[in-house]
Amino acid sequence: KQEVTQIPAALSVPEGENLVLNCSFTDSAIYNLQWFRQDPGKGLTSLLLIQSSQREQTSGRLNASLDKSSGRSTLYIAASQPGDSATYLCAGDGSARQLTFGSGTQLTVLP
Amino acid sequence: EAGVAQSPRYKIIEKRQSVAFWCNPISGHATLYWYQQILGQGPKLLIQFQNNGVVDDSQLPKDRFSAERLKGVDSTLKIQPAKLEDSAVYLCASTAGTGRNSPLHFGNGTRLTVT
Repeated sequence: KQEVTQIPAALSVPEGENLVLNCSFTDSAIYNLQWFRQDPGKGLTSLLLIQSSQREQTSGRLNASLDKSSGRSTLYIAASQPGDSATYLCAGDGSARQLTFGSGTQLTVLP
Repeated sequence: EAGVAQSPRYKIIEKRQSVAFWCNPISGHATLYWYQQILGQGPKLLIQFQNNGVVDDSQLPKDRFSAERLKGVDSTLKIQPAKLEDSAVYLCASTAGTGRNSPLHFGNGTRLTVT
């Protein structure tokens, strides 16, 4: 059974800092790895989807990488802003053919 | 493009009562999902529909949970009878395609409190 872990559970940084969020997964047969953002009281918003044949995806100030051999993915946020404050979740689609989510990293960007 | 609509936004019931949630996916989206998100955890898949057929309901507690998707559009999720541990946010999501690389679009969820 796929397990997805996100550490740390919470992170606080000053505005303007570049930061990295980490995600690890156990299923070596990963089909894709997805990153989502969740604001309080809201649903999830899809940020980036990395297919197993890809190593990274970029959207604006966000860059996500996938390393299947080590079972890791990272989400890099450049020049962080207070509006980036949210919970970031990663999810892996693997052998079970369904998304398994991590518990998320709650990010606070201080003005 | 209108997003995924869910109702109600909040529901408070006593244990052993029944409750139903409604979801209207984005127009034209063939695949619909129901997820359960317990506070502090990531969402867990309950059921996946493709058009009006069930693709995966392996994690749906079928002794108390049921779901249907009539005419391949709207969907309802029902809990009967509810238990305290069912307190969670129930999220509906849809995707345009049927492939696994189609991004999910989530609704804002229904927050259920069972007392």
